[in-house]
Amino acid sequence: SQQGEEDPQALSIQEGENATMNCSYKTSINNLQWYRQNSGRGLVHLILIRSNEREKHSGRLRVTLDTSKKSSSLLITASRAADTASYFCATPTGANSKLTFGKGITLSVRP
Amino acid sequence: GAGVSQSPSNKVTEKGKDVELRCDPISGHTALYWYRQSLGQGLEFLIYFQGNSAPDKSGLPSDRFSAERTGGSVSTLTIQRTQQEDSAVYLCASSLLAVLPDTQYFGPGTRLTVL
Repeated sequence: SQQGEEDPQALSIQEGENATMNCSYKTSINNLQWYRQNSGRGLVHLILIRSNEREKHSGRLRVTLDTSKKSSSLLITASRAADTASYFCATPTGANSKLTFGKGITLSVRP
Repeated sequence: GAGVSQSPSNKVTEKGKDVELRCDPISGHTALYWYRQSLGQGLEFLIYFQGNSAPDKSGLPSDRFSAERTGGSVSTLTIQRTQQEDSAVYLCASSLLAVLPDTQYFGPGTRLTVL
């Protein structure tokens, strides 16, 4: 079953614009993570935000977390064509931290 | 250092055949995960290994699926009597410790196609 649900499912923007992606989840979490996937292959870890954090930055990435609404957003500023990829939110569940992923957002950045 | 590697990168097999997928985790990582990504189901957890503890097999979809991790390092995922619905990308990930917060490092995946 899916823990996270991202929206929109697909996003197309012009290079230089900002991209905002949202994720909602159902159960209480310790942290929430965002991953990127290029061409349907390996996942690259982007950023992790803990449940006691509200906002976190990493380069052009900004992640927010609202535990009262069970939602998170990922903002990519000044997008580049190389940002074109699928983005997933994921939450660890259980004692073994297995990740439960959302369905993903397909981001296309037009040059 | 080297990341997580998986082999083969692509595998095409006929329905009913057995397949073995291999994962080499990052050296020193004690936790190893297998996930599957398919069009219909998205990304799903399959199985988890941590040190010498009994694996968490709760995500395996049927008894045709099994996995081993020898010597706490390399892992092999075996699918017996493959079916067309097994077609997917199989992803392996490893982490240093399964202690929150935890970052999992993923391999490039094996794309399995069952004809």
